[in-house]
Amino acid sequence: EVQLVESGGGLVQPGGSLRLSCAASGFTFRSHAMSWVRQAPGKGLEWVSAIHASGGSTYYADSVKGRFTISRDNSKNTLDLQMNSLRAEDTAIYYCVPDTGDCWGQGTLVTVSS
Amino acid sequence: DVVMTQSPLSLPVTLGQPASISCRSSQSLVHSDGNTYLNWFQQRPGQSPRRLIYEVSNRDSGVPDRFSGSGSGTDFTLQISRVEAEDVGVYYCMQGTHWPRWTFGQGTKVEIK
Repeated sequence: EVQLVESGGGLVQPGGSLRLSCAASGFTFRSHAMSWVRQAPGKGLEWVSAIHASGGSTYYADSVKGRFTISRDNSKNTLDLQMNSLRAEDTAIYYCVPDTGDCWGQGTLVTVSS
Repeated sequence: DVVMTQSPLSLPVTLGQPASISCRSSQSLVHSDGNTYLNWFQQRPGQSPRRLIYEVSNRDSGVPDRFSGSGSGTDFTLQISRVEAEDVGVYYCMQGTHWPRWTFGQGTKVEIK
């Protein structure tokens, strides 16, 4: 059974940092590109970042470029998102999603507020 | 980026009646490999999104056959043949053709009249 378990969310002040993690199981993690998608409270879905299966290429939405860094460890089947210089508008549930789009975890809530 | 536009944004339906959601993309979703990576997701209240349909018209495992997808190029439709109470939620179309920059429609809220 495919499982994605996101963690690392919490309350952080504007300008602060947070590191999200996603533990994947039940599929060949190293063979799949991965993405982070977020959902602000009461809002729709927004693609945030993606990384190739090998980790060799990374991509970012303009809204997070220069502040967020995506990475992966294929030996541990984990995906990370380092978030710096956080803003109120980054408040959202963050989901990690494989390139197939067919499995979503429960997400982890990030709240940026003073 | 490819803009995905859904309509309507709110859809009150009577139990047992059909429902239809439209999704239009600002660019063709036909990939260079010939496939069209248009997906539909359901998000029930308080839950994570769940994929219902992939590549325009293929139902995911466990998805009731009252859900169907159709369309081509830039125009797509999700149909529910007979709405049931468990279908309440928000439905999103999403294009995966222009990976890595997935884009989603605004969402259509389906509720029971």
